[in-house]
Amino acid sequence: GAVVSQHPSWVICKSGTSVKIECRSLDFQATTMFWYRQFPKQSLMLMATSNEGSKATYEQGVEKDKFLINHASLTLSTLTVTSAHPEDSSFYICSARAASGANVLTFGAGSRLTVL
Amino acid sequence: GENVEQHPSTLSVQEGDSAVIKCTYSDSASNYFPWYKQELGKGPQLIIDIRSNVGEKKDQRIAVTLNKTAKHFSLHITETQPEDSAVYFCAALRNSGYALNFGKGTSLLVTP
Repeated sequence: GAVVSQHPSWVICKSGTSVKIECRSLDFQATTMFWYRQFPKQSLMLMATSNEGSKATYEQGVEKDKFLINHASLTLSTLTVTSAHPEDSSFYICSARAASGANVLTFGAGSRLTVL
Repeated sequence: GENVEQHPSTLSVQEGDSAVIKCTYSDSASNYFPWYKQELGKGPQLIIDIRSNVGEKKDQRIAVTLNKTAKHFSLHITETQPEDSAVYFCAALRNSGYALNFGKGTSLLVTP
């Protein structure tokens, strides 16, 4: 079945630094990838929709200059948290939609970011 | 924006009993409704989904029902086992962009 891999699975960084999280579709091509953020004991909140070869579409309230998203190929999207602060500490989860057009979304295992 | 309401937020059942989680959605154009199981520290795993052209779907101990008129859908787990303990999320596909709107989750605890 479809597999989405995220890396790193967890990362700790100092306040003010930038962190990059990768999301890869391992056995299928993903025209669209989605980035979600999940705070402890809360639901998944969509941050942005990433389409291959074009600019990401951000949800209202999500700072596009702080959360940089790149979707340079059909199998890779990256999320860079710039100038991270403790309030950015969260679980970041990506999902991918196959280029075949099916509505089924496959989720990665998530990346736990802790900003000290 | 589109909303997905999920109830209950917590559910405790004894092993062998059934568990039911209910969700309502606001966007009448939504046509795809997946359910995800999330264990601690892991990403969501799709357990079952239903499309708007059917009213019920079953996969072994798990079933989902959909009432498009009332805009609600439910997850039914029968013969629950301790390993079913997790957080369950319902979701509805947005009418554009293919993103999912999630409910707030139900923490299910199955006690032996």
